[in-house]
Amino acid sequence: QSALTQPPSASGSPGQSVTISCTGTSSDVGGYNYVSWYRQHPGKAPKLMIYEVSKRPSGVPDRFSGSKSGNTASLTVSGLQAEDEADYYCSSYTGSNNFVVFGGGTKLTVL
Amino acid sequence: QVQLQQSGPGLVKSSQTLSLTCAISGDSVSSNTTTWNWIRQSPSRGLEWLGRTYYRSKWYNAYEVSVKSRISISPDTSKNQISLQMNSVTPEDTAVYYCARGYYGMGVWGQGTTVTVSS
Repeated sequence: QSALTQPPSASGSPGQSVTISCTGTSSDVGGYNYVSWYRQHPGKAPKLMIYEVSKRPSGVPDRFSGSKSGNTASLTVSGLQAEDEADYYCSSYTGSNNFVVFGGGTKLTVL
Repeated sequence: QVQLQQSGPGLVKSSQTLSLTCAISGDSVSSNTTTWNWIRQSPSRGLEWLGRTYYRSKWYNAYEVSVKSRISISPDTSKNQISLQMNSVTPEDTAVYYCARGYYGMGVWGQGTTVTVSS
């Protein structure tokens, strides 16, 4: 069982927006502004899309945005495109000995 | 452009030691602004961070609690690479293993190595 809880699936039509949640505790998501989001296409390595809750690495389109409220972080993908269909994982720094914890992943389907 | 190239055997026997390396190009393993991580992924366990090594005037390591007694992550400054050693493996350790660069967000990943532990 993953430390962070994500919905197993999400979907949206091209051009629409979809939001994926990531729920943790005060020891990880709620306690630090160190939430990151990854996109993973089948057979590929994860790609960093958001770090430190809401920052985008160079090259990531501004269609991707992140936020956090209490123990829940969210990733919003606006203007859905076919290439956005993938698995999305959240991750957080944790003050416990685990240091880094991941969510179980959300499969995003572009209808 | 930073790139990570992984190498190592794809098949390991139970009770033996899993050994993987991650060669770094475009950055230094001794960088004091980042960390070097190992992560694995399996259908049953999802993504699981295993540990990291990093340099801040001296070398530090941090390991995930559940594997701490079995793993070692080491830098090799002469080859600019890191290595992962996991001993006493079982079929539960079958997974895709990745190395990755980053601290609060891992922005560069290796290509992944599928490791199967045979019983």
